[in-house]
Amino acid sequence: QKEVEQDPGPLSVPEGAIVSLNCTYSNSAFQYFMWYRQYSRKGPELLMYTYSSGNKEDGRFTAQVDKSSKYISLFIRDSQPSDSATYLCAMSDGNKLVFGAGTILRVKS
Amino acid sequence: DTGVSQDPRHKITKRGQNVTFRCDPISEHNRLYWYRQTLGQGPEFLTYFQNEAQLEKSRLLSDRFSAERPKGSFSTLEIQRTEQGDSAMYLCASSKNGVASQFFGPGTRLTVL
Repeated sequence: QKEVEQDPGPLSVPEGAIVSLNCTYSNSAFQYFMWYRQYSRKGPELLMYTYSSGNKEDGRFTAQVDKSSKYISLFIRDSQPSDSATYLCAMSDGNKLVFGAGTILRVKS
Repeated sequence: DTGVSQDPRHKITKRGQNVTFRCDPISEHNRLYWYRQTLGQGPEFLTYFQNEAQLEKSRLLSDRFSAERPKGSFSTLEIQRTEQGDSAMYLCASSKNGVASQFFGPGTRLTVL
């Protein structure tokens, strides 16, 4: 079993929809939780990071961490075609990042 | 733009050859990381440096892999006697304030024939 599980999708939504992306994990030592966006054949781009539990909002993006359930989420409001990409969750206990496999998101105009 | 840069962007080599990749981190970032990403998977950690010290290496980093960061600035990743299974995207990332804010470069895509 992988330390971080993420549904690979693809997830296809119409423009303007609210998107929910999720990851579960098994390592209770994880304290840092990140979301990256990756376009095809590009490096990952950091969207948001959260330390420990709670919510964090940045523009159209909201990240949630529930450590008791070992579950993290990223919500995208008013999704745009330019949001079409692979979304990677990543976690750390202090040194290296452990990534999920990524969810492919397609926003249709 | 002062982001993380990697060179070359693409490398095609024959099995058994040695290859070397370079990463230039964001200036003043003291941490530098190497990851490997295969199709349909997330990046997997290979190794990381704090300044010039290599502090952690993954089990994925076999004897054929070596990484250096001689002056605490740029880093190189060398793969000796390449195998077809080494074909992947090799990503470099840097951070200033710990593990959370890692910024990635565009990657070097390696194809071993």
